Amino acid sequence: QVKLLQSGAALVKPGASVKMSCKASGYTFTDYWVSWVKQSHGKSLEWIGEIYPNSGATNFNEKFKGKATLTVDKSTSTAYMELSRLTSEDSAIYYCTRRATRVPVFDYWGQGVMVTVSS
Amino acid sequence: DIQMTQSPASLSASLGETVTIECRASEDIYNGLAWYQQKPGKSPQLLIYNANSLHTGVPSRFSGSGSGTQYSLKINSLQSEDVASYFCQQYYNYPYTFGAGTKLELK
Repeated sequence: QVKLLQSGAALVKPGASVKMSCKASGYTFTDYWVSWVKQSHGKSLEWIGEIYPNSGATNFNEKFKGKATLTVDKSTSTAYMELSRLTSEDSAIYYCTRRATRVPVFDYWGQGVMVTVSS
Repeated sequence: DIQMTQSPASLSASLGETVTIECRASEDIYNGLAWYQQKPGKSPQLLIYNANSLHTGVPSRFSGSGSGTQYSLKINSLQSEDVASYFCQQYYNYPYTFGAGTKLELK
């Protein structure tokens, strides 16, 4: 079955960076876009961007350009997102998702990574 | 960016009741709309796509409708396991955007 297993929670200092992982299993990793979604505490969802593992092509929400960097390791079927120059506004839960092929909806989600930015 | 306005923000209903959640897009999204359910402490799960197509494994008491800028999610015969937050999402245009969510509780 399809699974997206994300790395553990992170506590990071303001101004630092954090890199999180999303290991895919149960499907052909290179055939599906991987999207990342932010959920601030108790609030709604924001799409950050997506990456196509086969080519490394990316699409970003303008709001997160310069903030998020997306990469993949095809050999381990793992997607990564690095967030830089962290502030308290970046404290949130971050989900990786699989984007379905025929319709660009998020049919599988990781369990989420809670990032807390605090000194 | 396309703005998604969801209503109501919260909703209280009784078991067996029918509930409806609305979502309005700031422009025509040509049925490029999905609904997700998020139970407390869990990741969101896809319920409906293309405004009215039920995702695999989703109970038939969930249904979606609408067109243009106006869409709705209906839950027939509310069950206790339906207590959750519900989000709409448009995928007609980048960036994909979500509604603010509707928190559904039992009365």
